[in-house]
Amino acid sequence: AQTVTQSQPEMSVQEAETVTLSCTYDTSESDYYLFWYKQPPSRQMILVIRQEAYKQQNATENRFSVNFQKAAKSFSLKISDSQLGDAAMYFCAYRANSGNTPLVFGKGTRLSVIA
Amino acid sequence: GAVVSQHPSWVICKSGTSVKIECRSLDFQATTMFWYRQFPKQSLMLMATSNEGSKATYEQGVEKDKFLINHASLTLSTLTVTSAHPEDSSFYICSALRVGYYGYTFGSGTRLTVV
Repeated sequence: AQTVTQSQPEMSVQEAETVTLSCTYDTSESDYYLFWYKQPPSRQMILVIRQEAYKQQNATENRFSVNFQKAAKSFSLKISDSQLGDAAMYFCAYRANSGNTPLVFGKGTRLSVIA
Repeated sequence: GAVVSQHPSWVICKSGTSVKIECRSLDFQATTMFWYRQFPKQSLMLMATSNEGSKATYEQGVEKDKFLINHASLTLSTLTVTSAHPEDSSFYICSALRVGYYGYTFGSGTRLTVV
């Protein structure tokens, strides 16, 4: 079974600084997708960034970028120029590319941004 | 595009009564929807996968008779919590898989409180 591990229950960052959230996963599949979701206090799940496993290039979305290390099964999220609005729970998620499979979530990392 | 409407946002019910939560895809057809449960400060736990026109597939430990899922059309899935008890109080979130896409769209969630 696939598992997703987020080893940092809580992180904090100064406003305008950079923070990296860690995520590792375990799978025997070769074709899959990885995601980072943000859940603010409203609890609405918001897609931050996604990565296809077959792509070597790391995904980037404005201030958000990932470091995808397929061999190490690592998928970290870097947030640059942190803003107060970035404060939220961040979930790393995995999905195998086989049929209608659900997302498998990590336990989450609570990010605080200090003004 | 790709909006999933979930209702109600919050509901309070008496112990022993039933509550229905609706999840509707507004601008796309969702052949598959997933239902998650989230306890405070925890991750999303998959409860069941519902496929249009067929019986839902429940995760181990989830009571089928308590959490009734119906996916009668390509745009609507419902979760009915039957004979609710205080321990069923939680945050329930649906997620729809859009045909042809590998991304998921989440509803805004339902906070259920059983008193």
